[in-house]
Amino acid sequence: SAVISQKPSRDICQRGTSLTIQCQVDSQVTMMFWYRQQPGQSLTLIATANQGSEATYESGFVIDKFPISRPNLTFSTLTVSNMSPEDSSIYLCSVEVTGMNTEAFFGQGTRLTVV
Amino acid sequence: AQKVTQAQTEISVVEKEDVTLDCVYETRDTTYYLFWYKQPPSGELVFLIRRNSFDEQNEISGRYSWNFQKSTSSFNFTITASQVVDSAVYFCALTHTSGTYKYIFGTGTRLKVLA
Repeated sequence: SAVISQKPSRDICQRGTSLTIQCQVDSQVTMMFWYRQQPGQSLTLIATANQGSEATYESGFVIDKFPISRPNLTFSTLTVSNMSPEDSSIYLCSVEVTGMNTEAFFGQGTRLTVV
Repeated sequence: AQKVTQAQTEISVVEKEDVTLDCVYETRDTTYYLFWYKQPPSGELVFLIRRNSFDEQNEISGRYSWNFQKSTSSFNFTITASQVVDSAVYFCALTHTSGTYKYIFGTGTRLKVLA
């Protein structure tokens, strides 16, 4: 299993500013994922972050808006840049732990409100 | 293409009633995994079950049971004798075993259990 800590748990930000969300895992993992959950919606994958390489972004998400760092096997950050009210969402960090009972583990999420 | 459909947007039941949440999936892969996650009001995603495509055995865990039928591409979730604490949004998800283990989530079903 994996325990994931996300910071901050929530924030209210002014439009035009940027927020960096941190994700810390209690064990080394190869792949980390960042998801966005807009109000009342499902989870949408933003990008996959592998240590030592550039993040891979899904369609509709770009590095300039959502830069990601993955400096080591237990940590990643997602920055939401130049925020607008449309960026108000829950952002979740996730890791995949391979093995007999492969499942994705999720952080508790960062609830972002942009005003 | 891969897709997960949860046609029920919201369900309300009275405590102690049984309730079934539907999940229909599409995939071209022969090997894949299906999941159910619970998202309580606090926002975190709680893993409930993982099923691989070769295991069609139904599973029961306490008041929870899952019915996986490949013939109809369905993976339905039943809560027996529902309780108020079961109130949450439930997500069905699909991932394939090749590539980056990307999760495809359904749009979720909001379950309200009334006392």
